[in-house]
Amino acid sequence: DGGITQSPKYLFRKEGQNVTLSCEQNLNHDAMYWYRQDPGQGLRLIYYSQIVNDFQKGDIAEGYSVSREKKESFPLTVTSAQKNPTAFYLCASSMMGDPNEKLFFGSGTQLSVL
Amino acid sequence: RKEVEQDPGPFNVPEGATVAFNCTYSNSASQSFFWYRQDCRKEPKLLMSVYSSGNEDGRFTAQLNRASQYISLLIRDSKLSDSATYLCVVRTPGGYQKVTFGTGTKLQVIP
Repeated sequence: DGGITQSPKYLFRKEGQNVTLSCEQNLNHDAMYWYRQDPGQGLRLIYYSQIVNDFQKGDIAEGYSVSREKKESFPLTVTSAQKNPTAFYLCASSMMGDPNEKLFFGSGTQLSVL
Repeated sequence: RKEVEQDPGPFNVPEGATVAFNCTYSNSASQSFFWYRQDCRKEPKLLMSVYSSGNEDGRFTAQLNRASQYISLLIRDSKLSDSATYLCVVRTPGGYQKVTFGTGTKLQVIP
């Protein structure tokens, strides 16, 4: 079955530590996205990528980094510069070119600080 | 003003009731509109797209009013399984198709 796989489901970070969240899709989608969700808030865009080897900052990119070396993969690193990393992280993908293009989401990663 | 606004709820309704959610958006250039459903600590899943002429999918009806810049979702004959948070999503043309999520409206269907 095609879909988006995020791992791990739960992740704990120590202070000063960088952690990487994995996102893989086999939908052959061009665009991939990382969102952060905090309780009572909508999803906020961290980074997005429309093509391999290219990505753009979203609304809250500070303290995060990404790479897009393969079409299928868009890992997110939460760096030590992100002072409030505890949140639910969602990866999504979509097929570009269609104005009604829908987002398909992975099952999410809950990141907590120890 | 927020780009996409929703009443957070919660809406507590008995089984079988009809419930309606509204969502307003601020950018008149917005082009595409969606309702997503999100269960607690799960990923959002597309419930339905919203078309200018309005559209229906079983017990769910979505409407778009471009003049007043709002969209609505009507759920008839509520089921316990409809309990979830409903996210209004608006796509606006831009450098990339900018997607903005509302904060969601929580629905609790009570037996």
